[in-house]
Amino acid sequence: ILNVEQSPQSLHVQEGDSTNFTCSFPSSNFYALHWYRWETAKSPEALFVMTLNGDEKKKGRISATLNTKEGYSYLYIKGSQPEDSATYLCASANTNAGKSTFGDGTTLTVKP
Amino acid sequence: ETGVTQTPRHLVMGMTNKKSLKCEQHLGHNAMYWYKQSAKKPLELMFVYSLEERVENNSVPSRFSPECPNSSHLFLHLHTLQPEDSALYLCASSQGPSGQGAGTDTQYFGPGTRLTVL
Repeated sequence: ILNVEQSPQSLHVQEGDSTNFTCSFPSSNFYALHWYRWETAKSPEALFVMTLNGDEKKKGRISATLNTKEGYSYLYIKGSQPEDSATYLCASANTNAGKSTFGDGTTLTVKP
Repeated sequence: ETGVTQTPRHLVMGMTNKKSLKCEQHLGHNAMYWYKQSAKKPLELMFVYSLEERVENNSVPSRFSPECPNSSHLFLHLHTLQPEDSALYLCASSQGPSGQGAGTDTQYFGPGTRLTVL
C-alpha cells in the first residue's frame, strides 16, 4: 500500500492570492501521478496526469510540477478566485494496473 | 445522459437490510471502479473491473459484493452492513485497457451515494 500525503490539509486565501500545495508519494516504482479537483456536492474532476520527472502541466491558472526522484508534486494556482474553492486530491500509481492511492486532499477556500 | 451516474444519491439502511448501489457510465469506457470515502479519510479503492472481469479486490469484506454485468454498468450489493460502513461510495470509469496503460488513465467519477447504516 502506497503512502500518499498532501499538505497542507486546508488553506484559506484571499481572492487574487497565488497559492500552492504539495503531494508526497513513494519515489520507488513510480508510474503516474494524478491531480483531481473535487468541489462540494460534485464529482471529482481530473486536472492532470503526469508520468515523467520534471513534467510540468498547465490548465488556465492552475499548473503542476512533478519530481519523481524525490517523490513530490506541487500544484500551483495563480490569482485564486472563489470558484477555485474545492478539495484538491492527488493520486499515485506504482503500476500500470489502474490502482491509484489517493491522498487526503488539500481543501482550498478562496475568500472574495 | 452523459458521464457517470450513480443511484441512489442517498441511502439509509438498517444492518439487516439488503440494498444495491448502481453505477452507469456513458463514456464507452472499459474499466470501472468502486471507492469508499469515510469521514476524515482518503478515497479508498474497493474494486476494479476491466472488461467486465474483476481485477482488483482491495481486501473488502464479503458484505460488499460487486457485479459488473457489462462494461457500462456496475453494481455494489450490500448486506448485513455495520454502522462503520456509513460513507460516501463513489463509482468511476476509465478507458483501460489501453495502449498507454491503466495507470495513466484518467478516471471519471460519479456524484456518489451517501450511505448511512443505522
